[in-house]
Amino acid sequence: DPKIIQKPKYLVAVTGSEKILICEQYLGHNAMYWYRQSAKKPLEFMFSYSYQKLMDNQTASSRFQPQSSKKNHLDLQITALKPDDSATYFCASSQEGVSDYTFGSGTRLLVI
Amino acid sequence: GQQVQQSPASLVLQEGENAELQCNFSTSLNSMQWFYQRPGGSLVSLFYNPSGTKHSGRLTSTTVIKERRSSLHISSSQTTDSGTYLCALITGNTGKLIFGLGTTLQVQP
Repeated sequence: DPKIIQKPKYLVAVTGSEKILICEQYLGHNAMYWYRQSAKKPLEFMFSYSYQKLMDNQTASSRFQPQSSKKNHLDLQITALKPDDSATYFCASSQEGVSDYTFGSGTRLLVI
Repeated sequence: GQQVQQSPASLVLQEGENAELQCNFSTSLNSMQWFYQRPGGSLVSLFYNPSGTKHSGRLTSTTVIKERRSSLHISSSQTTDSGTYLCALITGNTGKLIFGLGTTLQVQP
């Protein structure tokens, strides 16, 4: 059974629209993260949350907003979508202080 | 420049051959982790390796913190080992991983 569930697996969106990427983890971890992988680029850190509080934000644009409604949820809302936002978005989690990270299978987003 | 350099960028092996993948860091590190990325894109953790040598089946990871490097050795490669191997630097205390571009491995039958 997958320990980190990301939904949807694939997503096609129109430029200017808004989408929410879902992430739930069932590992009992207290820290959750979002990463982005674009073509020909390394996986890029976006956000980290610990106990549902923002720890670090490396995303320049306010169009990307994490939302944590429960301690094992960290969704990613993206507004005013642009074609450059096309990428695979990975959610990850860890137990703070242990640093062994587990990744979800990703949401592949295509903005047309 | 890139904080995490992986080499080689790509590698083609015949089944049964061994592989040595390298990861070098330009900054000091708290720890590092090796991942395998399947052709479909999902990431699998191979080793969380702050220092020293760890073994898991045909895989061995060795991290030398002082020299800012880590290696991943794959012995007796199999076609199912094909995919991309990523190393990531763990630095600071906010959970930020800094990834390299990866080594793409193709194992031919």
